Amino acid sequence: GAGVSQSPRYKVAKRGQDVALRCDPISGHVSLFWYQQALGQGPEFLTYFQNEAQLDKSGLPSDRFFAERPEGSVSTLKIQRTQQEDSAVYLCASSLDGVQETQYFGPGTRLLVL
Amino acid sequence: DAKTTQPPSMDCAEGRAANLPCNHSTISGNEYVYWYRQIHSQGPQYIIHGLKNNETNEMASLIITEDRKSSTLILPHATLRDTAVYYCIVRVSFSSGSARQLTFGSGTQLTVLP
Repeated sequence: GAGVSQSPRYKVAKRGQDVALRCDPISGHVSLFWYQQALGQGPEFLTYFQNEAQLDKSGLPSDRFFAERPEGSVSTLKIQRTQQEDSAVYLCASSLDGVQETQYFGPGTRLLVL
Repeated sequence: DAKTTQPPSMDCAEGRAANLPCNHSTISGNEYVYWYRQIHSQGPQYIIHGLKNNETNEMASLIITEDRKSSTLILPHATLRDTAVYYCIVRVSFSSGSARQLTFGSGTQLTVLP
């Protein structure tokens, strides 16, 4: 079956530009997570949705980062006025519900800010 | 979530068993041990998890010591495609309420040699 998909796979942005990263979770999965992975490091949590509700955004590094999941399926991570330190791989993961803890990850979007 | 300690890198000959250790000396009674791996340029992939009993699935075996302070992931017949970063994660599971994010460390880079 279809897994988690993310688009675009690669994004190059000039410093100061806004970017939008899309995540299509596995159909029927209630929980959706965004992670940021810097080069050579493990993924770090950004934010979490249960259906359309954003229950935890404690990992978002600044108010330039914004995530939404308006209909409880597709999610978008938006970064405004990108900075060079935003360069990273952005990973999306989904899980079936609040009890099933296995998270299924997408391939990630590699963002490079010049 | 309890902290985990893993060696930064390991090598294994193709066809031999790969044994990846993880220390989690501060693990609590309700915390599970999870293993994920991340092949280069892909998102993390769930492997296996356990509480206190040894577990086996089609991918690997998980051996947890009786005091639960350490565990070992075993890939019985490593192949070149098993080359990846392996993450040991300790966390509460099946808890009431909403699902929670995964906290990744630096992991172990396993290189399977031909």
